[in-house]
Amino acid sequence: GNSVTQMEGPVTLSEEAFLTINCTYTATGYPSLFWYVQYPGEGLQLLLKATKADDKGSNKGFEATYRKETTSFHLEKGSVQVSDSAVYFCALTTDNNNDMRFGAGTRLTVKP
Amino acid sequence: GAVVSQHPSRVICKSGTSVKIECRSLDFQATTMFWYRQFPKQSLMLMATSNEGSKATYEQGVEKDKFLINHASLTLSTLTVTSAHPEDSSFYICSANPSGRATDTQYFGPGTRLTVL
Repeated sequence: GNSVTQMEGPVTLSEEAFLTINCTYTATGYPSLFWYVQYPGEGLQLLLKATKADDKGSNKGFEATYRKETTSFHLEKGSVQVSDSAVYFCALTTDNNNDMRFGAGTRLTVKP
Repeated sequence: GAVVSQHPSRVICKSGTSVKIECRSLDFQATTMFWYRQFPKQSLMLMATSNEGSKATYEQGVEKDKFLINHASLTLSTLTVTSAHPEDSSFYICSANPSGRATDTQYFGPGTRLTVL
């Protein structure tokens, strides 16, 4: 079945540090890959997505590249801010399953 | 972007009572909605897929009689936790997809925190 394995946190970084959160997946069919973010006290919001191999999703300085050869979709940001503190979820869907599978989530705390 | 609302945002109930949670798509129609459960500091676990005009599809291990789902219209799905017990306390989240396509973005409600005393 479909599943997502995500780097467990928590992750604590200083402001302006480089961020990587690893995500790998297992899927039947051709998945679309997503990163969702959950800020404290709020619902999940789409951060970025990629729908086919080699696509790069980007938003708010975050990037992730769909790597079919390594079945990965790692999230990166070159310089994090305190406002990036949140929980980040990697997720996937496939055409033959109209639902979304989530990784365990990674809590990021950015300190000034 | 598309908006999904949930009501109530927070509910506290006594053990043995039933609680209904509503999920609405405010600016689009959704033939399919999804219900998730999120435990503290854990990921979202899909509970069931709500289908307008037909029965919901439940994930393995989710009790159908415990978590009743009704998708009566294209903009409303309800989850009723029947005979709630303290172990049902959790954060319940719904999502919907305007296009109905699996590979398009899901829009999530803000969640409902259920506490069963």
